[in-house]
Order: sequence, then C-alpha cells, then structure tokens
Amino acid sequence: AQSVTQLGSHVSVSEGALVLLRCNYSSSVPPYLFWYVQYPNQGLQLLLKYTSAATLVKGINDFEAEFKKSETSFHLTKPSAHMSDAAEYFCAVRPSGNTPLVFGKGTRLSVIA
Amino acid sequence: DAGVIQSPRHEVTEMGQEVTLRCKPISGHDYLFWYRQTMMRGLELLIYFNNNVPIDDSGMPEDRFSAKMPNASFSTLKIQPSEPRDSAVYFCASSLATGETTEAFFGQGTRLTVV
Repeated sequence: AQSVTQLGSHVSVSEGALVLLRCNYSSSVPPYLFWYVQYPNQGLQLLLKYTSAATLVKGINDFEAEFKKSETSFHLTKPSAHMSDAAEYFCAVRPSGNTPLVFGKGTRLSVIA
Repeated sequence: DAGVIQSPRHEVTEMGQEVTLRCKPISGHDYLFWYRQTMMRGLELLIYFNNNVPIDDSGMPEDRFSAKMPNASFSTLKIQPSEPRDSAVYFCASSLATGETTEAFFGQGTRLTVV
C-alpha cells in the first residue's frame, strides 16, 4: 500500500530561517502528493499539491515543494520562517482515483523569535 | 460556502455513554470521510462514503462505532458505548469526485473526551 514517511516529528527554526520539512513516499506508480497544515485547534488546510504538471509546486504563504522521483521525495520548504508558520504539517498521498488520502504522522514546526 | 461544518466542537462524556458527532459536507461534494487524530496513531481513516453510500469501513475500530449518511448534506459518527480510549479529535472531510489530484476539505474537528 502506498504511504508517506515524514522524517522528524518536531522541527524548530529561528524566525527568518529556512524551513525544510521532509516527506518521502513509497510508490511504484506516479503518486499524487499533498501537503496540509494544521494550526492549533483547527482542521487541516491544503498548502499545495503535486499534479505532475511541474516538479516544483508553489503553495500558499510562500511554501513550495519539489517532487523528486529519483529520491522518492516531496519535501516542503519556505525561504524565511514567520512566527505564524508554527503549526503541524502533514504530507499525504492519494493511492489512486478517488481513494482517501493517506497521511503521514505529521511534523510539528516551532518558530523561535 | 461555509466549508465543512462539524458539531459539537468539544464533547466531554462519561464512559459508557452514547456519543454522536455530526458533519455537514460542502454542498455538491460527492465524498465524505471520517478521520480520527490521536498523538499515538496520527490521522486514521475510519470510514468514507460516496454519494451517501459507505464504501470502506475497515478503519472503524470496533462495533461500538457506526456511521451513517442519510442524505448528501449530513453524516453522523456514533460511538456506543464510549470508552476513555476513544478520546481523540474526530475530523470530517469532503471532496469532489474529480480524480487523483482532488483535495479533501476538512472541518474544524470535534474534540472528544471520555472520562
């Protein structure tokens, strides 16, 4: 079964520093990948999704992710962290068609002033 | 559209009591999903519906859990009897049936505490 692995359950960065959240997928066919963000006491909100149109995907709030087939990765980055980016981030994969999203364990991002 | 609406936002109940969680999906969406989020297990799919019909309930932990979707605008997740280990945040999500890149839209969740 297709799955995603998020490396690091907790990442801490300084305000203004680069954010890098890692996600690797296990798939023998082209995966459909998503990044979601969950702010405290909120539901999940889509940040971006990979549609195969481009390997570099831009999302909301200056986040972007690069699909690398050779590394089976879809890491999430942001050039400069803001305090408001502190949240839980989830990588997800849709195995096929309209099957439900399968989520990684999540990475909690802390931003230090 | 107001998005996916879940009620209540918080529920505290005593062990053994029946609990009913409610969800109103986004109008026009064909799929509805129930997920459970815990620290230990992360986000787990419990059950999902397509056009009000349950498609896969293999994630429902036990017979104590049941879910219904009587119409396109309403779904319930019921736990009877509830146990402390059911304490979690329960999310409802909905999506259109437009293929692999379709995102799911989540409600704000119901935080259930069973004491």
